[in-house]
Amino acid sequence: KAGVTQTPRYLIKTRGQQVTLSCSPISGHRSVSWYQQTPGQGLQFLFEYFSETQRNKGNFPGRFSGRQFSNSRSEMNVSTLELGDSALYLCASSLYRNNEQFFGPGTRLTVL
Amino acid sequence: QKEVEQNSGPLSVPEGAIASLNCTYSDRGSQSFFWYRQYSGKSPELIMFIYSNGDKEDGRFTAQLNKASQYVSLLIRDSQPSDSATYLCAVNREADTGFQKLVFGTGTRLLVSP
Repeated sequence: KAGVTQTPRYLIKTRGQQVTLSCSPISGHRSVSWYQQTPGQGLQFLFEYFSETQRNKGNFPGRFSGRQFSNSRSEMNVSTLELGDSALYLCASSLYRNNEQFFGPGTRLTVL
Repeated sequence: QKEVEQNSGPLSVPEGAIASLNCTYSDRGSQSFFWYRQYSGKSPELIMFIYSNGDKEDGRFTAQLNKASQYVSLLIRDSQPSDSATYLCAVNREADTGFQKLVFGTGTRLLVSP
């Protein structure tokens, strides 16, 4: 069974731009969670989607948004990029029973 | 108090020794517990999960759970240099939304010296 895939793997943007990241979960998984990871802050929860509905949201500004499609694929968008948004963005999928989450390889975003 | 607490380390052990990684959590209603391993520059990889009090063994790894003490640990026997990584403890609990939420600790860095 294929794992979680994320595209693109690397991205360089400048301040003020916006970016969209994509995540395809493991086949059959309907829950997708997004995390931001930086050296100083560790793994920070962004949001979680299940059946196209956002069920949980972390403490991030409204510039961070996401959505999930009917095939469970998910996207997250960051508008008006700031230097502090430079991070590894991780997507994880689960069957949602015990929330056993499996991570994708991540998208490394650099904001210049 | 953080929801999930881990000592950041580094925890240094010699090759062949037992590495003991510890994690405490604050929500007594937490039901399931996970250990992830993360190599530098890579994404977290699930290595163990435990739902019931007691020990669960998988190869060189043993997860231990004590719900009364709100404590979960990971033992790595016969530690190898390839075990050098950051180990993240994660706890599944009910969020304010009523849905499940996985909460991660900040991780313990393990260094295994040859």
